[in-house]
Amino acid sequence: GENVEQHPSTLSVQEGDSAVIKCTYSDSASNYFPWYKQELGKRPQLIIDIRSNVGEKKDQRIAVTLNKTAKHFSLHITETQPEDSAVYFCAASSRGGYQKVTFGTGTKLQVIP
Amino acid sequence: GAVVSQHPSWVICKSGTSVKIECRSLDFQATTMFWYRQFPKQSLMLMATSNEGSKATYEQGVEKDKFLINHASLTLSTLTVTSAHPEDSSFYICSAPPPTGSSNQPQHFGDGTRLSIL
Repeated sequence: GENVEQHPSTLSVQEGDSAVIKCTYSDSASNYFPWYKQELGKRPQLIIDIRSNVGEKKDQRIAVTLNKTAKHFSLHITETQPEDSAVYFCAASSRGGYQKVTFGTGTKLQVIP
Repeated sequence: GAVVSQHPSWVICKSGTSVKIECRSLDFQATTMFWYRQFPKQSLMLMATSNEGSKATYEQGVEKDKFLINHASLTLSTLTVTSAHPEDSSFYICSAPPPTGSSNQPQHFGDGTRLSIL
């Protein structure tokens, strides 16, 4: 089955700096890569996703990149703000999200004011 | 947009009690429902996949007799934790794939159920 690894497990940045979280996946059949933000006690919230037919996607301060050959994908948050502090999960799925989602191990991001 | 309603949001009960968690798809039909469990400070791990009209598929290491899953209709899937013990205390969350023909939509998560067994 799919295995998703995520690094780092914790990340502290100063407000205004950028944050980068990296993930790798194992199953070449995976073609859908969502990123979730989870606040304490709440469900994961989708913040951005990318499909295997594109290499990069951007939405305001958030961008994701995908390298299918290396099976790597990354989340980039620019101009970080204290409200960006949360746990972030990368994930992978096949069939465009119709199948189960395999989550990474999570990154606790702390943005220091 | 498509919404998954999950109840209850929070349960505290004594050891040995059975607890039922419901997930309903609102305004769309969910022939499949994924059930995840999340222990404190850990990731979400898939427990099982329920399919309307057929038996659920359980992930390796998940006891099917302890975690009973029923997908009674196209809009309702339930997870029953039987004879719950403190080690079953966790955050349980369901998600439904996007409706057929909506491949550009993400999966839809319920709000989760925090289960605490005393």
